[in-house]
Amino acid sequence: QKEVEQDPGPLSVPEGAIVSLNCTYSNSAFQYFMWYRQYSRKGPELLMYTYSSGNKEDGRFTAQVDKSSKYISLFIRDSQPSDSATYLCAMSNYGQNFVFGPGTRLSVLP
Amino acid sequence: GAVVSQHPSWVICKSGTSVKIECRSLDFQATTMFWYRQFPKQSLMLMATSNEGSKATYEQGVEKDKFLINHASLTLSTLTVTSAHPEDSSFYICSARDGTNTGELFFGEGSRLTVL
Repeated sequence: QKEVEQDPGPLSVPEGAIVSLNCTYSNSAFQYFMWYRQYSRKGPELLMYTYSSGNKEDGRFTAQVDKSSKYISLFIRDSQPSDSATYLCAMSNYGQNFVFGPGTRLSVLP
Repeated sequence: GAVVSQHPSWVICKSGTSVKIECRSLDFQATTMFWYRQFPKQSLMLMATSNEGSKATYEQGVEKDKFLINHASLTLSTLTVTSAHPEDSSFYICSARDGTNTGELFFGEGSRLTVL
């Protein structure tokens, strides 16, 4: 079993849709959970950062962490064509070892 | 968020030459920096972990004599691709975490290396 699983997509949605991106993981020691957005030929950009379980909202983005199920989600409301990118989930154990999902390619169609 | 600057963003070199890529943390001290390689439409592949003032830790299969990493200060790490060959052409990305135990990791913009 891979340490982090993420559906690679591609995922295509119409503009304005709610997008749900998910990752599952196997290591219960992970405490920090992150979502990154990566445009083509650019470095990943930190979108959301969550410590332990719970929800965090920032504008159109909501991150959820369910440690009991080892499942994290990123929701994007009112999706825009500019949200088209690859989204990487990442997790860490006390800021030491960082593990990344393979990324989900998202296309938001105008 | 914190800023990590990577330079150059794009470099073209002849086969056999060496290329140096710099990674700087602009507004925080990075005790640990990571170097990744990414092929088109693929995820990040960790190459090595670099801690300030000590030797880098390389992932299995990464040639340490080929990819020289130096982390001489808390704000600068360098990756030197020695005797580059066309198969070394790739997108190289650095990331850095600050000295606190927050777990946040910030990435540079990436450097595209093309070896002719």
